[in-house]
Amino acid sequence: TQLLEQSPQFLSIQEGENLTVYCNSSSVFSSLQWYRQEPGEGPVLLVTVVTGGEVKKLKRLTFQFGDARKDSSLHITAAQPGDTGLYLCAGVSPQAGTALIFGKGTTLSVSS
Amino acid sequence: DSGVTQTPKHLITATGQRVTLRCSPRSGDLSVYWYQQSLDQGLQFLIQYYNGEERAKGNILERFSAQQFPDLHSELNLSSLELGDSALYFCASSVQGAGANVLTFGAGSRLTVL
Repeated sequence: TQLLEQSPQFLSIQEGENLTVYCNSSSVFSSLQWYRQEPGEGPVLLVTVVTGGEVKKLKRLTFQFGDARKDSSLHITAAQPGDTGLYLCAGVSPQAGTALIFGKGTTLSVSS
Repeated sequence: DSGVTQTPKHLITATGQRVTLRCSPRSGDLSVYWYQQSLDQGLQFLIQYYNGEERAKGNILERFSAQQFPDLHSELNLSSLELGDSALYFCASSVQGAGANVLTFGAGSRLTVL
């Protein structure tokens, strides 16, 4: 059983569309991180959300941490082909020890 | 370049063999993490070292072992390889050893077991 469930698993959209991907858990996390991974490379950190209800913006990307700190979402406005990649959420939960655990990710494909 | 160096980048070997993957962390980082990434399981945490000591253990098989050396580089040893061990193996490093650290990942080592 995955501690962090991400949905959808795959998303294929046209350039200019908006999209939201989700990261859900039944456990409380002190913080959640979002990473993006491109083919042939390792994941790269996009943002860390710490406070319940927190919203962070990174250009066209908006990240939200749920009030109960059990879920998070990533919204992309006007997606571009350069946004293509695997989006991973990650967090540390007392249930899983001290290491950072990852969801399985959402694979996003943006075509022009 | 993330600053985390992994070698080799690609490795093809046969079942039953043993391989060693190497990782040099980013300068100044004391903690090294190993993850395995496969299509069906996603990114799975294997093991973490902090300043030479094992800090946390995840879903690491008994056939796998790791260590962190005094110069902070780390090696992941995979033995009695099986077809199912084919995967991407990532090393990541961070400054601290606990909590929700920011991890810097290397580019990975792709292992193919035939």
